[in-house]
Amino acid sequence: NAGVMQNPRHLVRRRGQEARLRCSPMKGHSHVYWYRQLPEEGLKFMVYLQKENIIDESGMPKERFSAEFPKEGPSILRIQQVVRGDSAAYFCASSPPGGFEGYTFGSGTRLTVV
Amino acid sequence: DAKTTQPPSMDCAEGRAANLPCNHSTISGNEYVYWYRQIHSQGPQYIIHGLKNNETNEMASLIITEDRKSSTLILPHATLRDTAVYYCIVRVAPGGGSEKLVFGKGTKLTVNP
Repeated sequence: NAGVMQNPRHLVRRRGQEARLRCSPMKGHSHVYWYRQLPEEGLKFMVYLQKENIIDESGMPKERFSAEFPKEGPSILRIQQVVRGDSAAYFCASSPPGGFEGYTFGSGTRLTVV
Repeated sequence: DAKTTQPPSMDCAEGRAANLPCNHSTISGNEYVYWYRQIHSQGPQYIIHGLKNNETNEMASLIITEDRKSSTLILPHATLRDTAVYYCIVRVAPGGGSEKLVFGKGTKLTVNP
């Protein structure tokens, strides 16, 4: 998974706090995707972004969750007022346009809400 | 919303070929099939993808049926390090410029010594 950098690897937040997850795509990749994985489940699509644009956020919860991919810097997945049900592994993937070379995933951020 | 069906688990002897089946009977003509694997809780690792032709790379072979309703991933000589959850995935393009991988539940492959 070298190339797509996610940080932090582990994040602990108390209920009601904010969580910020960062993703730096592979060099030359302009498309970023966020997925969430609950224990013992497959990955669920959340949002697809290109630089400064949200292309598809159909998998994002309607409240408390937001994502951005600014012109400069990493993509950010932000969760406000976290609840215990937000505890999960959050993976970021990146691709060049078209995705025909495959999508490269990062190592994920494991969020624990206490 | 998953467009793929896989057996939940499979076993394979070390050194033998592992053949992992996948059904995707509702796949559309322009939707690609991707295979990824996840070892422990690491990020998914790309293995191979294809549209209608069989594909081979240094990791595996992908056999897609002529009607495209199913496919098989073949690991020719499984090793203990191939123990992982293998996901057969359809890449969908729902419109508006969007594209995404739709994961199912995957197959837990255990390679035994």
